[in-house]
Amino acid sequence: DAGVIQSPRHEVTEMGQEVTLRCKPISGHNSLFWYRQTMMRGLELLIYFNNNVPIDDSGMPEDRFSAKMPNASFSTLKIQPSEPRDSAVYFCASSPSPGGGAQYFGPGTRLLVL
Amino acid sequence: AQTVTQSQPEMSVQEAETVTLSCTYDTSESDYYLFWYKQPPSRQMILVIRQEAYKQQNATENRFSVNFQKAAKSFSLKISDSQLGDAAMYFCAYRSAFVNRNQFYFGTGTSLTVIP
Repeated sequence: DAGVIQSPRHEVTEMGQEVTLRCKPISGHNSLFWYRQTMMRGLELLIYFNNNVPIDDSGMPEDRFSAKMPNASFSTLKIQPSEPRDSAVYFCASSPSPGGGAQYFGPGTRLLVL
Repeated sequence: AQTVTQSQPEMSVQEAETVTLSCTYDTSESDYYLFWYKQPPSRQMILVIRQEAYKQQNATENRFSVNFQKAAKSFSLKISDSQLGDAAMYFCAYRSAFVNRNQFYFGTGTSLTVIP
């Protein structure tokens, strides 16, 4: 079985550029989560979707961040414009729904904004 | 909101020995799920073990077992016969059993060092 797939695995960009992170959840999973991990703030939930619908985006730091899930097999997290403080590892995770299933994480995208 | 607390930022264990990582949580719900995740230096988050709150029996996965104390809201992870590959950051996580409360709550992690 293919796990959660994220691309790119590494991204280096300059401040002010647009960054798009992509995620393909595990087939059959109805919930998708985006996290950000840094040394300072640890693991933060940015947003999660149930059945392609955003449920809670209270963790999205500011308007520069946006996320979409146009269908059950694809999601994007976009940062526009990017800033150096956005440098982090971004994880996508999926989970079967309804409640109880574990989350399965992708390998993460390491983002460095110069 | 639920909170998950891991009070041990760092732990170490001698290879082949046993170590216990602590986790406590705060919730008013009666039905929920608890998890332990491992994050090795590769940064991949790996599910280690899962416990259902309505089950009294503690979950076990090979060398990994939990001590689930529902009344005390405690969920510790025991690693037996520790191996070098167990060195990682370990996160405790909580999830409600209610279908409309899908969010996971994570602790801040415990960094485990395994000494050869």
